[in-house]
Amino acid sequence: EVQLVESGGGLVQPGGSLRLSCTASGFTFSTYNMNWVRQAPGKGLEWLSYITSSSGTIKYADSVKGRFTISRDNAKNSNSLFLQMNSLRAEDTAVYYCARSLRYYDSGSLLDYMDVWGKGTTVTVSS
Amino acid sequence: DIQMTQSPSSLSASVGDRVTITCRASQGISNYLAWFQQKPGKAPKSLIYAASSLQSGVPSKFSGSGSGTEFTLTINSLQPEDFATYYCQQYINYPLTFGGGTKVEIK
Repeated sequence: EVQLVESGGGLVQPGGSLRLSCTASGFTFSTYNMNWVRQAPGKGLEWLSYITSSSGTIKYADSVKGRFTISRDNAKNSNSLFLQMNSLRAEDTAVYYCARSLRYYDSGSLLDYMDVWGKGTTVTVSS
Repeated sequence: DIQMTQSPSSLSASVGDRVTITCRASQGISNYLAWFQQKPGKAPKSLIYAASSLQSGVPSKFSGSGSGTEFTLTINSLQPEDFATYYCQQYINYPLTFGGGTKVEIK
């Protein structure tokens, strides 16, 4: 069964740091691009970051650029995606999801869409 | 950034109804649009990609259409398990952006 399990969330003070992990199973993690998406309480979905399978391409939303860092470990005993979050603010309080990108061809272009999501981990930034 | 606007933001419907949700992009996105379903306290679930392609395992009561800037998600014969919030999302450009969501409630 394809599965993504996030961990590492918790309560942190403003200005603090937290490292989220997402452990993949049931598929060949090293061949898939990955994303982080968050959802503030009672709000909609916000895409945060994307990393290709080889970590060759990384993208960030402006809201987290310079504060958050996405990375991954494709070793078979790890199969993990990470999100290092620094300089946390109250507005970073949210459920954080990792999501797999499924790649397909369309009219000669290679596209990614998010097909599998983890259950999320909650981050609360408060003093 | 591409803005995605969904309408309505909420709707009430009865079991057995057909419902349609609209998603508009601030610029043309070809057919690079996905739809997700989210139930309270749960992760989003992929329903449709490429505007009209059904994700594996998703029942055919869900259908999507559109291209360019206007898209629709239709749910036929609404069942109790379909009451949820639905989001559209463009993936032609980064940053990826979502619509604000449409909450489908029981009438």
